[in-house]
Amino acid sequence: DGGITQSPKYLFRKEGQNVTLSCEQNLNHDAMYWYRQDPGQGLRLIYYSQIVNDFQKGDIAEGYSVSREKKESFPLTVTSAQKNPTAFYLCASRQSNQPQHFGDGTRLSIL
Amino acid sequence: AQSVTQLGSHVSVSEGALVLLRCNYSSSVPPYLFWYVQYPNQGLQLLLKYTTGATLVKGINGFEAEFKKSETSFHLTKPSAHMSDAAEYFCAVSGGAGGTSYGKLTFGQGTILTVHP
Repeated sequence: DGGITQSPKYLFRKEGQNVTLSCEQNLNHDAMYWYRQDPGQGLRLIYYSQIVNDFQKGDIAEGYSVSREKKESFPLTVTSAQKNPTAFYLCASRQSNQPQHFGDGTRLSIL
Repeated sequence: AQSVTQLGSHVSVSEGALVLLRCNYSSSVPPYLFWYVQYPNQGLQLLLKYTTGATLVKGINGFEAEFKKSETSFHLTKPSAHMSDAAEYFCAVSGGAGGTSYGKLTFGQGTILTVHP
């Protein structure tokens, strides 16, 4: 089945450590997105990419970085500069004027 | 610029009762509007969408929503709640045709629906 795979499902980070969240899609979608979800705040856009080798900052990009070297992959790195990284991270993809499809998320916690 | 306000962070209904989840939006361009549902520790699943055309849109699981431009609203309803409807619901807006938002979604804060037996 086509879909979006996020891994790992749970991730723990030590203070001062960078961690990378994986997002892979086999839907052949051009656009991909990363959101952060905190209780009571909905989803906030971190980064998005319309095409390979191009990406733009969303509303809360500070402390995060991304790459888009392949159409199917859009990994998110949570750097040590992100002082409050504990959250649920959701990846999504989209084609043309269709709605976004979401992965099942990665829950990041601080040790 | 776009924004979404969901009225009520928690809504509780009895099984079989009407479900009404409220969503108001603001958008500088004609909007596309969406409702998503999220079950615990899962991603978001699309319930329904409004782009253009008929203002009453029907979605999965018996849900529907009506786009009211004059009220800038897109409330979600279901005539009869089922226990399996218990989840968190998100309203979202993006710029429509001719907009430059590149499909970016702006989400409301979410409404947790509880269904009592």
